[in-house]
Amino acid sequence: DSGVTQTPKHLITATGQRVTLRCSPRSGDLSVYWYQQSLDQGLQFLIQYYNGEERAKGNILERFSAQQFPDLHSELNLSSLELGDSALYFCASSPRTSGRHEQFFGPGTRLTVL
Amino acid sequence: EDQVTQSPEALRLQEGESSSLNCSYTVSGLRGLFWYRQDPGKGPEFLFTLYSAGEEKEKERLKATLTKKESFLHITAPKPEDSATYLCAVQALGRDDKIIFGKGTRLHILP
Repeated sequence: DSGVTQTPKHLITATGQRVTLRCSPRSGDLSVYWYQQSLDQGLQFLIQYYNGEERAKGNILERFSAQQFPDLHSELNLSSLELGDSALYFCASSPRTSGRHEQFFGPGTRLTVL
Repeated sequence: EDQVTQSPEALRLQEGESSSLNCSYTVSGLRGLFWYRQDPGKGPEFLFTLYSAGEEKEKERLKATLTKKESFLHITAPKPEDSATYLCAVQALGRDDKIIFGKGTRLHILP
């Protein structure tokens, strides 16, 4: 158990809908990262937040957005869903202190868009 | 452009048959190289961080090494429970904290 929690574990929805994925980082970690993993693409970095502020952006679509709240939990919002958005979505957290940059991953949310 | 390439894509070994997985990387300046293990449908599990050429880390049957251009994950006398996908990732120096992952090596250990 990495200490990172994600809810829900599974999500099934229809095209055009909007969903919210939730992540709680490990105790004490200020940085949260979101990744998308599909069968043919591997792990793709989406976005990073550090202590409530956006810090880095990867290949995140404009239909997707995220935020980190004062209690450090984070939410990833996916809207106008398409079939191709079906994937595993992982959240990771990191201490991001001097010498400690490894990321610890949650169990993931499996999103299925029908 | 920062890049991570892992080889082979897949590897089947007999139990006890030692081997190595390769991770080649191109990055402007390396902050860290990470190895993860991922089981099907699960989140990646952190194994090692390597920071500079010549560094080595060990954990049970796994040993990770780092040069200026590549890293190896050596697996000694593997067991069936070592079957998983092994992911390599790099983080570049700079303000940006993002990590770039390779596509992984799928390792299958036959009993």
